[in-house]
Amino acid sequence: QVKLLQSGAELVKPGASVKLSCKTSGFTFSTSYMSWLKQVPGPSIEWIGWIYAGDGGTNYNQKFKGKATLTVDKSSSTAYMDLSSLTSEDAAVYFCARMNGGYPYYFDYWGQGVMVTVSS
Amino acid sequence: DIQMTQSPASLSASLGETVTIECRASEDIYNGLAWYQQKPGKSPQLLIYNANSLHTGVPSRFSGSGSGTQYSLKINSLQSEDVASYFCQQYYDYRTFGGGTKLELK
Repeated sequence: QVKLLQSGAELVKPGASVKLSCKTSGFTFSTSYMSWLKQVPGPSIEWIGWIYAGDGGTNYNQKFKGKATLTVDKSSSTAYMDLSSLTSEDAAVYFCARMNGGYPYYFDYWGQGVMVTVSS
Repeated sequence: DIQMTQSPASLSASLGETVTIECRASEDIYNGLAWYQQKPGKSPQLLIYNANSLHTGVPSRFSGSGSGTQYSLKINSLQSEDVASYFCQQYYDYRTFGGGTKLELK
């Protein structure tokens, strides 16, 4: 079955960067689109961007350009997201999600989420 | 950006009741809409896509409808395990979510 396993909670200092991981199994990673999403209490959800694992092509929400960088490692079926220059506004729960087959419209399977805390 | 407005923000219903959650888009999204269920402390789970198609394994008491800018999620015969927050998401233009509806038992 489809599984997305995210790395553990992160405590990061303001101004630092963090790299989140999402190890997948149960589907053909190399032909999939993977997305990252941000959820803050409210509880609103924002789409950050997607990456096509086949060729590393990306599409970002304009709001997160320069903040997030998406990459993949096909050999380990793992997606990554780098978040840079962290501030208190970046404190949130971050999810990875697989997007539907074909053109990527919606998110059919999600990771368990990882909480990122930004504090000195 | 297309804005998604959900209503109500919260609601309380009894077991066995039928519940309807609404989602309004700021412009026509041509049925490019999905619904998700999120239980406390868990990740969202896909319920409905293309406005009215049931995702694999989702109970048939869930259904979606609508067109243009107005969409709804209906839960027939409410069960205790349906206590959760529900989100709509449009995918006609980029990807944006509604603010969520928190469903509780009365």
